[in-house]
Amino acid sequence: QSALTQPPSASGSPGQSVTISCTGTSSDVGGYNYVSWYQQHPGKAPKLIIYEVTKRPSGVPDRFSGSKSGNTASLTVSGLQAEDEADYYCSSFAVNNLYVFGTGTKVTVL
Amino acid sequence: EVQLVESGGGLVQPGGSLRLSCAASGFTFSSSWMHWVRQAPGKGLVWVSQINTDGSNTRYADSVKGRFTISRDNARNTLYLQMHSLRPEDTAVYYCSAAGTGTFQSWGQGTLVTVSS
Repeated sequence: QSALTQPPSASGSPGQSVTISCTGTSSDVGGYNYVSWYQQHPGKAPKLIIYEVTKRPSGVPDRFSGSKSGNTASLTVSGLQAEDEADYYCSSFAVNNLYVFGTGTKVTVL
Repeated sequence: EVQLVESGGGLVQPGGSLRLSCAASGFTFSSSWMHWVRQAPGKGLVWVSQINTDGSNTRYADSVKGRFTISRDNARNTLYLQMHSLRPEDTAVYYCSAAGTGTFQSWGQGTLVTVSS
């Protein structure tokens, strides 16, 4: 149950795009289309922003999009806004009906 | 509106026990798989445990297997996490989460567990 690998940080100016990767193995990210992404502001609970690789819950802006290729999933935030500054975590369903989270990425809006 | 409210956290000595509760409302609790997820101070999210709708199927992370027990009371719309043999490395905010398909759909605000002498 090793954590999925994410870059520690990412940044962009308002209006720009930032993409965060989430690398696992064929036992998790590569083996299932159950990759999700969560946004967490300081002191707050995580919030689901992407599920099943590409789907957005209602109320989540379409500036957030997800994709997957092989063992790596990605989250892209387009048209960065100040309120997008937060920590972002991926998660994946894994073998033996377990779950694993990513190491987390701090997004800074310059 | 989905609401998940955790309680039961606090300071406990190493080797001690604690039971966390999560009161659910705003959705059909008895039809929802549920999870516990924890986050150590300044660290990332870690999945802890999962339970199916009637409590007959449970899963645990290796780090808590044999020490933690997840359970639920559908009549009271409440999820539990019984924790024994607590270690300093169990110190974390513990979140309950309502499951979606392969995801953690809704989250509570968390309850802090501190294991220290």
